[in-house]
Amino acid sequence: DSGVTQTPKHLITATGQRVTLRCSPRSGDLSVYWYQQSLDQGLQFLIQYYNGEERAKGNILERFSAQQFPDLHSELNLSSLELGDSALYFCASSVAPSSPTQLQYFGAGTRLSVL
Amino acid sequence: AQKITQTQPGMFVQEKEAVTLDCTYDTSDQSYGLFWYKQPSSGEMIFLIYQGSYDEQNATEGRYSLNFQKARKSANLVISASQLGDSAMYFCAIGPGAAGNKLTFGGGTRVLVKP
Repeated sequence: DSGVTQTPKHLITATGQRVTLRCSPRSGDLSVYWYQQSLDQGLQFLIQYYNGEERAKGNILERFSAQQFPDLHSELNLSSLELGDSALYFCASSVAPSSPTQLQYFGAGTRLSVL
Repeated sequence: AQKITQTQPGMFVQEKEAVTLDCTYDTSDQSYGLFWYKQPSSGEMIFLIYQGSYDEQNATEGRYSLNFQKARKSANLVISASQLGDSAMYFCAIGPGAAGNKLTFGGGTRVLVKP
């Protein structure tokens, strides 16, 4: 158990809908990362937050947004869902935002299926 | 930009034998970290081993060792005494990058351990 909690584990929804994925980082970790794993794109970084503020952005679509709350949990909001958004979404956390030695511990992921 | 290449999409290994998973990387950063993660069929991402770019000794964690050859930009994972539970996808990753703290992943290698 990595200590990173993601809910829900599975999500099935329809095109055009909006969903929210939730992540609780490991105790003491201030930085949260979101990744998307799809068959065609592999594992891709979406966005990072550190202590409530956006720190880095990857190939995140404009339809997607995220935030980190004062209690350090994070939510990833996906709207106007398309079939291609079906993927495994991971949250990871680390203690500090920037260091080559900072290990990122991953949650179990949320599997999103858009029908 | 950072890049990871894993050239072996899949491989079989006999139980109790050792297996080497190849990973080459490209980065213009002087300081970086190399990571290996395991993803079993259940989907979670499990951290295995880390090597810093300035570490002179190869990292080891139990049955996992990382063969780091900086001049060749390679960071191969060696799993000794393979077990059936080692059957999984294995991902090599590099981070953080100059543009942020994301991990950049390779395409992965699927390992199947035969009894």
